[in-house]
Amino acid sequence: DQQVKQNSPSLSVQEGRISILNCDYTNSMFDYFLWYKKYPAEGPTFLISISSIKDKNEDGRFTVFLNKSAKHLSLHIVPSQPGDSAVYFCAASGGRNTPLVFGKGTRLSVIA
Amino acid sequence: AAGVIQSPRHLIKEKRETATLKCYPIPRHDTVYWYQQGPGQDPQFLISFYEKMQSDKGSIPDRFSAQQFSDYHSELNMSSLELGDSALYFCASSFGTGGTEAFFGQGTRLTVV
Repeated sequence: DQQVKQNSPSLSVQEGRISILNCDYTNSMFDYFLWYKKYPAEGPTFLISISSIKDKNEDGRFTVFLNKSAKHLSLHIVPSQPGDSAVYFCAASGGRNTPLVFGKGTRLSVIA
Repeated sequence: AAGVIQSPRHLIKEKRETATLKCYPIPRHDTVYWYQQGPGQDPQFLISFYEKMQSDKGSIPDRFSAQQFSDYHSELNMSSLELGDSALYFCASSFGTGGTEAFFGQGTRLTVV
């Protein structure tokens, strides 16, 4: 059973608007969450992370929100740009000696 | 800045052949992860190493083996290749394990024919 779920396989947003990508997890042992961005034929690129002791982390246009009680996190991109078009993976980690667990990804298309 | 280097970038092998994929982590990173991503699938964790010792094992077939060497580079050895092994294989490295960002290489695309 999937421990990290991204229920929206794709999302289209107009340039300049906000993109919101969602991720749910089931394992309460996860304490570190990351978002990766992936372009075709390239490896995932780390984007932003959040520790379970926080509920928000901001880096420029990217903000990640964590709701531990709902086991839900989201990535907000404001404003969205055409170069943001990529597949976004949510990943989670449960502490030392545990690997990252990935969701299936959400394909974001930002339309000019 | 130096990134994770994987070689080769592309590999074509026939069924039942053997393949070796290599991963060179970012300098000073001591942890290496291997992931397999089949067409239309999410990355699946195969195996990881921390300080040259296997730290975790995921859905790695028995036909595959891996190790991390004294210079921290890692090799994934795949034997008796099957058509279903065709995938993108990613290596990632980090400093320490868990609760830290892992940085990925460009991947090796393996095609088994």
